[in-house]
Amino acid sequence: GAGVSQSPSNKVTEKGKDVELRCDPISGHTALYWYRQRLGQGLEFLIYFQGNSAPDKSGLPSDRFSAERTGESVSTLTIQRTQQEDSAVYLCASSLPNQPQHFGDGTRLSIL
Amino acid sequence: QKEVEQDPGPLSVPEGAIVSLNCTYSNSAFQYFMWYRQYSRKGPELLMYTYSSGNKEDGRFTAQVDKSSKYISLFIRDSQPSDSATYLCAMIPTDSWGKLQFGAGTQVVVTP
Repeated sequence: GAGVSQSPSNKVTEKGKDVELRCDPISGHTALYWYRQRLGQGLEFLIYFQGNSAPDKSGLPSDRFSAERTGESVSTLTIQRTQQEDSAVYLCASSLPNQPQHFGDGTRLSIL
Repeated sequence: QKEVEQDPGPLSVPEGAIVSLNCTYSNSAFQYFMWYRQYSRKGPELLMYTYSSGNKEDGRFTAQVDKSSKYISLFIRDSQPSDSATYLCAMIPTDSWGKLQFGAGTQVVVTP
């Protein structure tokens, strides 16, 4: 079956612009997660959705970052007024309740 | 001090050798342990998922968990060049299922 799908796969934008990243989870997965992976580093937790609500937003780095999920399906991660330190791969994962997470291939974000 | 420590490598082994990877952790609340494989420009792929202390085997892969020492290992037998990737350990505490904590990842190179 289809895995986690993320779009765009690559995004290049200028500093100060807003960007929106999309995640389509595996069908039926109620939990959805966003992570950031900087070059050569491990994954950094950003936010977790159970259904459409976010019980844990503790990893969002600043108020420039926000995320939403609708219809217990698609999620978008929005970064406003992008900075160069936002350059990273943004990974989305989904899972059934209390089951291991399955990842998409990420969006590679480059801020010029 | 990071909650999950993992040697970044690179770890270079000849084809056919056993690859030995490990992580240590400091939070005794971690109860669920995973190993992911990540190829370049791809998302992490779940390899092994364990809960209890002891060994779990799946084909050429064996995962070990020693909760008393806060130490987990992954062994890859009969390594192949296609096993060349970054291997990430990950763990979840019982009180925060959504917040997967990753090690930094170990780069493995299997030479023909």
